Amino acid sequence: KNEVEQSPQNLTAQEGEFITINCSYSVGISALHWLQQHPGGGIVSLFMLSSGKKKHGRLIATINIQEKHSSLHITASHPRDSAVYICAVGSAGGTSYGKLTFGQGTILTVHP
Amino acid sequence: EADIYQTPRYLVIGTGKKITLECSQTMGHDKMYWYQQDPGMELHLIHYSYGVNSTEKGDLSSESTVSRIRTEHFPLTLESARPSHTSQYLCASRKDVYNEQFFGPGTRLTVL
Repeated sequence: KNEVEQSPQNLTAQEGEFITINCSYSVGISALHWLQQHPGGGIVSLFMLSSGKKKHGRLIATINIQEKHSSLHITASHPRDSAVYICAVGSAGGTSYGKLTFGQGTILTVHP
Repeated sequence: EADIYQTPRYLVIGTGKKITLECSQTMGHDKMYWYQQDPGMELHLIHYSYGVNSTEKGDLSSESTVSRIRTEHFPLTLESARPSHTSQYLCASRKDVYNEQFFGPGTRLTVL
């Protein structure tokens, strides 16, 4: 079982729909990251959070430390949101503090 | 826009050749990372550095080596490329473990 599990693995939506991607992890963490990877491979950091909720434009990320769970929400989805969304957790202890472990990614396709 | 660069972006090379993948960042970040990503799979850490003259192996065993002689430069070398090395290699950097990681555009390596 991976330390970081994402669901769903694939998600198809119509433009304008509200989208939720989930991430569960099994270890103590220093922080959780949400990343976006477009075809061609480039990765952009969307959020880094260790508690509560963050919002940037149409994107919202939440984390529940007690339940070891985070969600990424996209409001009013658009075809340009089509990408792979990756959850990553930073390790919490010792010399590897902050080192990232990645989920397998959620492939999002938004149709016009 | 992240100031982290990788060259080449694409490389097709024959078995047995020595190759160096370049990674540079102009943000003055101490922490730099190399990840390997096979198509459709999660990223795996293969090397990291916490500063000049500091290099460590990551979670995924790799036959590659790295060096960190200057803060801004973190090249990865394969002494003798093999088809099993075919993958995408992503470089990343961050100011410290309390900040987000910035990713380069990646090098897609194919070894024939």
